[in-house]
Amino acid sequence: NAGVMQNPRHLVRRRGQEARLRCSPMKGHSHVYWYRQLPEEGLKFMVYLQKENIIDESGMPKERFSAEFPKEGPSILRIQQVVRGDSAAYFCASSPTGDGGQPQHFGDGTRLSIL
Amino acid sequence: QKEVEQDPGPLSVPEGAIVSLNCTYSNSAFQYFMWYRQYSRKGPELLMYTYSSGNKEDGRFTAQVDKSSKYISLFIRDSQPSDSATYLCAMSPGLNTGTASKLTFGTGTRLQVTL
Repeated sequence: NAGVMQNPRHLVRRRGQEARLRCSPMKGHSHVYWYRQLPEEGLKFMVYLQKENIIDESGMPKERFSAEFPKEGPSILRIQQVVRGDSAAYFCASSPTGDGGQPQHFGDGTRLSIL
Repeated sequence: QKEVEQDPGPLSVPEGAIVSLNCTYSNSAFQYFMWYRQYSRKGPELLMYTYSSGNKEDGRFTAQVDKSSKYISLFIRDSQPSDSATYLCAMSPGLNTGTASKLTFGTGTRLQVTL
C-alpha cells in the first residue's frame, strides 16, 4: 500500500497519560499535515511540517501538543497529559509540494479515546 | 460565521438520481477547491481538485466553482449505493500566501443512496 500510513488505528489512554500518533507519508511526499476531527464537526487543521521543520502550527493547542517530522522515520503527533476533550479522530495527510498546487492525500486516521 | 458552510444532511436519494452537493465560503483568498469522500471509519479520499472558477468533470462527478458567488458544487450522476458516504468540501488560499497548504473544510454532507 503506497498510501499514507497511520498507526495505531485505535488508541485508548487514561487521563494524564501520553498519546503518540505516527504517520508515514506517501512515497515521494515530503510535506505532512495533521488534522483533528471531532464528532459532528469537520476536519480542523493542526500543523504542517516538512522534514525537520515545523512550517505552520497555527492550529495546534498551545499546551500539551507537539509534532515532529524527523529526517528519518515517521511524523509524530504527541499529546501529553491527555484529557477527555482530546478524544477525536486524528488524520494525517501528505503532498509532494507545500504550495497548495498539489492536493493532500489522507490516511485512515487514529481514533483516540480517553477514559 | 464559519469560513465554509455545508449542509450536513442527511441527503437520501434513490439509485440513479443526480445528486447536488454544495458549499459556500466567505474567504475571498481561497483559490483551490477540493471534494473528498469519507466512508465510515476511514480517511477522506480525494474526488475532485480544481483551481479558481470553472467546471471539471471526471466520470460521473462534476465539480463547479463560482468565485463571484463564493459557491462550489459537486454533482454526481447516476448515483449508486456505493456512493453512500459523507462528502467534504475543502479549500485553500493561493500560492505565496504563506498559508497555501492549510485546508479549511466544511462539516460534510451525509449522502444515502437507496435501492
